[in-house]
Amino acid sequence: GNSVTQMEGPVTLSEEAFLTINCTYTATGYPSLFWYVQYPGEGLQLLLKATKADDKGSNKGFEATYRKETTSFHLEKGSVQVSDSAVYFCALSRMDTGRRALTFGSGTRLQVQP
Amino acid sequence: DTEVTQTPKHLVMGMTNKKSLKCEQHMGHRAMYWYKQKAKKPPELMFVYSYEKLSINESVPSRFSPECPNSSLLNLHLHALQPEDSALYLCASSQPTQGVSTEAFFGQGTRLTVV
Repeated sequence: GNSVTQMEGPVTLSEEAFLTINCTYTATGYPSLFWYVQYPGEGLQLLLKATKADDKGSNKGFEATYRKETTSFHLEKGSVQVSDSAVYFCALSRMDTGRRALTFGSGTRLQVQP
Repeated sequence: DTEVTQTPKHLVMGMTNKKSLKCEQHMGHRAMYWYKQKAKKPPELMFVYSYEKLSINESVPSRFSPECPNSSLLNLHLHALQPEDSALYLCASSQPTQGVSTEAFFGQGTRLTVV
């Protein structure tokens, strides 16, 4: 089956701190991997993606590398801002849906304090 | 235009009501989705439409009835819902490419409260 495991939150950091949110997955085949972000009261926005092993996705200072050997896709940012406070979801494309639908991790709430 | 537009943003309905949620996209995407998100939980897939045909139903109760009238529109008809159906309903769209998946674009959601 397909599943995504994320680290428990909330993660509370001071502004300009380094961020890591761990994500590991279980899947058949070779799924694509995504990070989505959800701000309060809003829908989900794609943050970054990677479609094959060793790909690095990056956007707005966030990065994640598709590690097939460790089945991981950890999210990192070198210096967080208050505006990064949100819930972050790791997701994979379900092979049983032709890579169309997504399975999400439980989400990690990030709180950045000034 | 990279938007998926959902209406209404908020909906309160009684258990005997019939209502519909609407979703529209103009990105030329031929795959559209309904997800359900309970508070503090991740989105869960409900339905997938591919080229205007229902391709996946995740064993959703029949009180939820999806409809895809054309390639830009997706509806979710609601009837005889229960209070536990209260949630954020998210619509998404993507290209239905099977070789390499492309990202899904999500709407802002409809927050549904069943009283």
